[in-house]
Amino acid sequence: DADVTQTPRNRITKTGKRIMLECSQTKGHDRMYWYRQDPGLGLQLIYYSFDVKDINKGEISDGYSVSRQAQAKFSLSLESAIPNQTALYFCATSDTPMGGVTETQYFGPGTRLLVL
Amino acid sequence: QKEVEQNSGPLSVPEGAIASLNCTYSDRGSQSFFWYRQYSGKSPELIMSIYSNGDKEDGRFTAQLNKASQYVSLLIRDSQPSDSATYLCAVNGNTNAGKSTFGDGTTLTVKP
Repeated sequence: DADVTQTPRNRITKTGKRIMLECSQTKGHDRMYWYRQDPGLGLQLIYYSFDVKDINKGEISDGYSVSRQAQAKFSLSLESAIPNQTALYFCATSDTPMGGVTETQYFGPGTRLLVL
Repeated sequence: QKEVEQNSGPLSVPEGAIASLNCTYSDRGSQSFFWYRQYSGKSPELIMSIYSNGDKEDGRFTAQLNKASQYVSLLIRDSQPSDSATYLCAVNGNTNAGKSTFGDGTTLTVKP
């Protein structure tokens, strides 16, 4: 079984609809992240969470919200979807740094979202 | 100026050649540097991490870091068609920040 899973894998929705993307992990990591990726571009950080009680905005949080329901679950919501939110969305996890070394991130398979 | 910049692609090399991928960053406090490989339509996966100045080798891959020049590179020796992918450079600030800033990626094609 995959360590980081995302549901749904593909989603088509209409402008103005509220949708939720879900992420679950079995790696036991405290830190979780949501990124979006547009064609030909790198990853842009939307929100991140360092533990269940910690939520932080990333570079592009406008129009998005998140919920950290448990250590293993981190969901992303689009309150009112718009076409320019069409993108590939990735969830990622990382362990809490030890000894000053930042841990690598492990990515889920991605959710491809199309907003019409 | 973007925080993390990668050499614009696409980059094409013949099979067996050395592919050189470059990345510069603007935050002098950056401490951790990563190279991820991303196949088309797939999620990024870690290739190399480097934290100290100098070279770090892992099989056909060598990461090079020069903090004074704010430069990190990835060399792929004996390139194979299976190396064809987009390579993302990621840079972390101090550990309290704990989040990565990604470059836009360089797409590499290795031609048989």
